[in-house]
Amino acid sequence: GAGVSQSPSNKVTEKGKDVELRCDPISGHTALYWYRQSLGQGLEFLIYFQGNSAPDKSGLPSDRFSAERTGGSVSTLTIQRTQQEDSAVYLCASSLTFMTQYFGPGTRLLVL
Amino acid sequence: SQQGEEDPQALSIQEGENATMNCSYKTSINNLQWYRQNSGRGLVHLILIRSNEREKHSGRLRVTLDTSKKSSSLLITASRAADTASYFCATDAQGAQKLVFGQGTRLTINP
Repeated sequence: GAGVSQSPSNKVTEKGKDVELRCDPISGHTALYWYRQSLGQGLEFLIYFQGNSAPDKSGLPSDRFSAERTGGSVSTLTIQRTQQEDSAVYLCASSLTFMTQYFGPGTRLLVL
Repeated sequence: SQQGEEDPQALSIQEGENATMNCSYKTSINNLQWYRQNSGRGLVHLILIRSNEREKHSGRLRVTLDTSKKSSSLLITASRAADTASYFCATDAQGAQKLVFGQGTRLTINP
């Protein structure tokens, strides 16, 4: 596709359930980023991939959060045992370099 | 803590007026970028200014950078209703392969 895509666009889950969020970056982009944005707030960096490796996981808020990237392309962000404070918009971005990032439309997660 | 801090947090002006948003940051940078976000969804890259540049233009956008004050401004001239969005500055901390975003300015253009 022409841009970064994310799925699902919206996800409602119950507290304690696991969720998987998917990101399809722009073809050929080696770098991939995950961010979290709470209502009315700025972007909180979660994790960065270069190829399939994650040199920087410093933003993952707890060990309930994990991410992987396969084939240097698709990435999945997994949140285990979701909590209400995990409710946010999860944004994915890709880039050739980290200087200009291209964002997907985000996944809006609501944990009840 | 956030590297970039925008002000004001919210700005409301009449269509046709100019809008100015400011961003301050804390550490040395290689470049600073501005992004726009509509309706809480994906961000769109607007403009990048390098640390050795002082001013840059793109259409109705004008960005300045003052590295001595660790601050940048984004000016949107002749604003339009379609400019209504949140605007974020993002900086790269030298040596870090990631961008750090500020809290954003919510701009409302009134017709």
